[in-house]
Amino acid sequence: NAGVMQNPRHLVRRRGQEARLRCSPMKGHSHVYWYRQLPEEGLKFMVYLQKENIIDESGMPKERFSAEFPKEGPSILRIQQVVRGDSAAYFCASSPPGSWQGSGNTIYFGEGSWLTVV
Amino acid sequence: GENVEQHPSTLSVQEGDSAVIKCTYSDSASNYFPWYKQELGKGPQLIIDIRSNVGEKKDQRIAVTLNKTAKHFSLHITETQPEDSAVYFCAASKTGGFKTIFGAGTRLFVKA
Repeated sequence: NAGVMQNPRHLVRRRGQEARLRCSPMKGHSHVYWYRQLPEEGLKFMVYLQKENIIDESGMPKERFSAEFPKEGPSILRIQQVVRGDSAAYFCASSPPGSWQGSGNTIYFGEGSWLTVV
Repeated sequence: GENVEQHPSTLSVQEGDSAVIKCTYSDSASNYFPWYKQELGKGPQLIIDIRSNVGEKKDQRIAVTLNKTAKHFSLHITETQPEDSAVYFCAASKTGGFKTIFGAGTRLFVKA
């Protein structure tokens, strides 16, 4: 977990509000991944980004969810008009550049952002 | 689509006993298999991994085995200790594949 920084660690939002979750990858890493973990469930892939590019967003819900990784600054996962079902832990992970060119890529997780929608 | 199945979902062992967690994967192109440990309220932490060019890897009390023909891989923890209590996830990925696919997790309880 060392190095992948996520904030806020805990976030409470009312239904209909927006949630913004931030992730700074490990130093030297240029690939960022977002995963969602519902209570008592596993880790579900949401999106994979490189700087200024979304590479794979096949796990993102079609509406209300968006992600970016700008040239400067952290990656942002944005959830608009939150509903109770969005309550979950959102984990960011990162990997070094070029790591996927070998056999699979090791990803390192942050401590997560716990979103509660009331 | 790609899928990783993990068993058992819950495992309770006595301190000092061994624990074994098993996973199967569906994508025959998968060639990298990491294992993560997640403690309550924390992020998953990589504990060991294995690549498809080896059948077994060991690190102190933890070992992983891989059977590519059967598309099975397993985590073995020997001489379990109470601090091993956590949720363990297996995962699989492949060259050029950007998604790491996770199993549903195994909650391990080690009773003192």
